[in-house]
Amino acid sequence: DQQVKQNSPSLSVQEGRISILNCDYTNSMFDYFLWYKKYPAEGPTFLISISSIKDKNEDGRFTVFLNKSAKHLSLHIVPSQPGDSAVYFCASTNAGGTSYGKLTFGQGTILTVHP
Amino acid sequence: NAGVTQTPKFQVLKTGQSMTLQCAQDMNHEYMSWYRQDPGMGLRLIHYSVGAGITDQGEVPNGYNVSRSTTEDFPLRLLSAAPSQTSVYFCASSRDRGPTEAFFGQGTRLTVV
Repeated sequence: DQQVKQNSPSLSVQEGRISILNCDYTNSMFDYFLWYKKYPAEGPTFLISISSIKDKNEDGRFTVFLNKSAKHLSLHIVPSQPGDSAVYFCASTNAGGTSYGKLTFGQGTILTVHP
Repeated sequence: NAGVTQTPKFQVLKTGQSMTLQCAQDMNHEYMSWYRQDPGMGLRLIHYSVGAGITDQGEVPNGYNVSRSTTEDFPLRLLSAAPSQTSVYFCASSRDRGPTEAFFGQGTRLTVV
């Protein structure tokens, strides 16, 4: 039972355009959501997060949107750059419970930004 | 500032062999965890620890053991390697159990033949 799903295995975008990566979750206890970026042969690195008390969080070119009623979040990258080409994972947790920071990850989306 | 260090980076084992994947962090983080990454599966939690002397199972713990004798180190032991344990393993640490991001090591690519 996949509690966090990224239904698009890959996404291809032209440099300068917007990249939109999507993530759906089923566990209503999740209240904190994170996006990680992973380059080949490296560990995932934290990108941006959002608490369930918000519906939007921005950090430079990266914005995460949360729709709690739809149990859906998305990551927008504007403008996209070739260096953004990587695998993007969304992750969820129940920060206020006994999860002790345990993260549940989606399958990942491979983003390719073409020059 | 090393962060999270994993050794080895690559390992090939024969079925039935045992080995220990090492993980060390220098950020004085209380919470540490082990994940495995498989194609199409994302990262799945194997074991985690909320502090020295305290460990618990994650989503896929079978075939693995952990211990946490110090804050810095969190080794993962494969008791009797199986081909199904071929994967990339990531160790992570975070400051506490609150809403905070985890820092990951560079990974260990393990092949069991």
